[in-house]
Parts: sequence; C-alpha cells; structure tokens
Amino acid sequence: DAEITQSPRHKITETGRQVTLACHQTWNHNNMFWYRQDLGHGLRLIHYSYGVQDTNKGEVSDGYSVSRSNTEDLPLTLESAASSQTSVYFCASSQAATSQETQYFGPGTRLLVL
Amino acid sequence: KQEVTQIPAALSVPEGENLVLNCSFTDSAIYNLQWFRQDPGKGLTSLLLIQSSQREQTSGRLNASLDKSSGRSTLYIAASQPGDSATYLCAVKGSRLTFGEGTQLTVNP
Repeated sequence: DAEITQSPRHKITETGRQVTLACHQTWNHNNMFWYRQDLGHGLRLIHYSYGVQDTNKGEVSDGYSVSRSNTEDLPLTLESAASSQTSVYFCASSQAATSQETQYFGPGTRLLVL
Repeated sequence: KQEVTQIPAALSVPEGENLVLNCSFTDSAIYNLQWFRQDPGKGLTSLLLIQSSQREQTSGRLNASLDKSSGRSTLYIAASQPGDSATYLCAVKGSRLTFGEGTQLTVNP
C-alpha cells in the first residue's frame, strides 16, 4: 500500500545545530507539504512543493529550508535549531491542487531543541 | 487572513450519544472544507471533504455540513463509540489549507 513515512519519529538536538527531517511518500503525488503543530496554534504551513525543483514558503518558513530533487522526498532542514522550533512536524502529500484535493499525512516527528 | 475556529475545544460524552462539533471560518472564498481525525501521537486522517458547491457529505455515522455564506460547518457523529475518541480538526482550502485547533473528543464506555 502507498504510504508517507517520516524519520526520525523522535529527535533531541541542541540549539544551533543543523537538523534534517526526512519525508518519503510512495503515493507518487506531485504536491508535498511540511507543517508544524503547536498548542494554541494548530497546524501551520512551513514549506510546500508542487513538483521536482519547485519549493515555496509557507506561513512560518523562517529558519527552515526544503529541497525537492525527486517526486518521493521532501526533506526539511532547520539551519540552526532554536528552542522555538521545538514542535511536532508533519509531512503531507496530495495529487493535485483541485477542489477535491485531499492531503495524506505522515505520522509526525517530535523534535525537542534544548 | 483566513482564521478557523473550532468549538468546543474539548468534549466528553457517554457512549451512544449523538454529538455535533462546530467549525467556523472567516473568509468564505474556499475551494473545500475537510474534517480530519487525529489520534494521540499519530498523523491526521481525512474523514470527509465537502466541496464549496456542496452542502453536506456523509460517511457511515459521520455527516458534515457546510454553509459557506455564513462561514460554518458542523460534524455530526451518530451513536458515538469509545473508538471515536480522538481530536477532530477542521480545515478550509483557499490558497492553502488552514486548520482549526481541533476538538478533543472523549467517548466514555
């Protein structure tokens, strides 16, 4: 069955370190998204991609970057981790940006920045 | 800027009860509205998607309605079961998907 996976599932890092969160989908979807989920804010969009070599900033993109070199993967990099980036990160994918678009979510990565 | 609000934030009901979760949004220029379920420590699972031209969608014991002009949606769960315990999130699709903070539902046996 097609799926979307994230790794690692849990990560502890120190302030200032570079961290990369992996996202891999086997749906063959064009669109991929990264969200963070925090109490009091719900899910907020960090970055998104509509295809290979395409990346776009979302609502809370400062301090994060992504690259899309193939259809299946959209890694999220925290350039210099900050305590404010402690959160649960979700990757999602969808086939097309239409009125019937449904996003499929990965299980999440819980990141703690000390 | 689109804002999505869900009321109540938490709800506890006895098994078998019918219940309604509410979602409101500020900008009616949307393509669709979705209801998701999130279990603790897990990702989101799409339950129902209502296109902007539709009024409601049904799946099993779930029924979602959409009143785009008033910026409201409801999720109706019939004959609730303990397995329905989860957080339910509403999201509206405009230029991007905007989420509410969710309603945490507990169904007690």
